[in-house]
Amino acid sequence: DIQMTQSPSSLSASVGDRVTITCRASQGISNSLAWYQQKPGKAPKLLLYAASRLESGVPSRFSGSGSGTDYTLTISSLQPEDFATYYCQQYYSTRTFGQGTKVEIK
Amino acid sequence: EVQLVESGGGLVKPGGSLRLSCAASGFTFSSYSMNWVRQAPGKGLEWVSSISSSSSYIYYADSVKGRFTISRDNAKNSLYLQMNSLRAEDTAVYYCARDGIAVAGGWFDPWGQGTLVTVSS
Repeated sequence: DIQMTQSPSSLSASVGDRVTITCRASQGISNSLAWYQQKPGKAPKLLLYAASRLESGVPSRFSGSGSGTDYTLTISSLQPEDFATYYCQQYYSTRTFGQGTKVEIK
Repeated sequence: EVQLVESGGGLVKPGGSLRLSCAASGFTFSSYSMNWVRQAPGKGLEWVSSISSSSSYIYYADSVKGRFTISRDNAKNSLYLQMNSLRAEDTAVYYCARDGIAVAGGWFDPWGQGTLVTVSS
């Protein structure tokens, strides 16, 4: 099974900050990676798929990059509505989620 | 509007059984693979099971293999999860989620609102 290691597990940031979250797969996943945002009590929301493709309706401040085993989610300028927990998910072989990154207000 | 609505959650004793349902609408259900994902209280997301559009391919997480059974009824636009031999660690909100696209779309979009399963004596 493919394991996904997400880091950091939490971070504190201010509005306007640039935020980067990393996800590392235990083997190459050929860009078969999605990112989700989840707010308390709500279902996760898809942000990006295929590592870098922005889902329709998602603000352009969200971007994704990476290849092989290492992938990154970047929020270019953090907005108040972006404080949430973010998860990566590989779909190269069955499905696996990262442990999540909670983005909190500094 | 694409919609997924889960039902069937509740309180069950350890060793008991429960069947979850997910009613789909707003898209051609028979064209998409479907999935169950769970989230224990205060914890992260865990993929549980996937089923292909025609039920030809079925996959389970190791944590539920042999105890849970995923199925679908394309005529009723419905997805199911039969959960047997339930354990306390199966306590979670269970989400139904569609594959992102009909072919080779392994990401999850959209998601249902979730149904809570509590396993406790």
